[in-house]
Amino acid sequence: GDSVTQMEGPVTLSEEAFLTINCTYTATGYPSLFWYVQYPGEGLQLLLKATKADDKGSNKGFEATYRKETTSFHLEKGSVQVSDSAVYFCALSERPGGTSYGKLTFGQGTILTVHP
Amino acid sequence: DADVTQTPRNRITKTGKRIMLECSQTKGHDRMYWYRQDPGLGLRLIYYSFDVKDINKGEISDGYSVSRQAQAKFSLSLESAIPNQTALYFCATSRGGSETDTQYFGPGTRLTVL
Repeated sequence: GDSVTQMEGPVTLSEEAFLTINCTYTATGYPSLFWYVQYPGEGLQLLLKATKADDKGSNKGFEATYRKETTSFHLEKGSVQVSDSAVYFCALSERPGGTSYGKLTFGQGTILTVHP
Repeated sequence: DADVTQTPRNRITKTGKRIMLECSQTKGHDRMYWYRQDPGLGLRLIYYSFDVKDINKGEISDGYSVSRQAQAKFSLSLESAIPNQTALYFCATSRGGSETDTQYFGPGTRLTVL
């Protein structure tokens, strides 16, 4: 079945450092890819998404590019802030028309802590 | 604001008790989901419902049941709680059609089974 693998955390950075969180996937079809973020004490919220190869999703200074050839969707941010401290989840969903469309498969999550 | 709410937010119970977790949404979405979150395992799908008359098992449905009382309400039950059901439970919703894969999550219910 489909699966998502994220780099193991936790990740600890100083403010203004560069962030990369690696994500690779295995899927039988051609999935859509997502990054969700979970701030302390809250539910998950969509950070960005990409639906086809070479698409770049971006939001709040975060970016991720859909790389079909390497089955990856790495999350990057050029300069992190203390307020970015959260748990980040990579996820995939089958495309419309697939039997599993609408069901998300999540990675295990990566805890990010940013210090002043 | 249109929202996804969960009750209770925290619950401590004993082995063998029946527990119901409730989810309500004001987003007008047709599709609703229940997940559990365990440290190091991400979120795993328990049940999902694409409309009021459509209920489907997810990857870890054993020991759980659900009820879709209305478009806006989706409840998760543990008929006889056991300690390894201690987890953080999330409800989520999505629209149908091309936006089905973008899900909106509630704040979660932390369940402890002693």
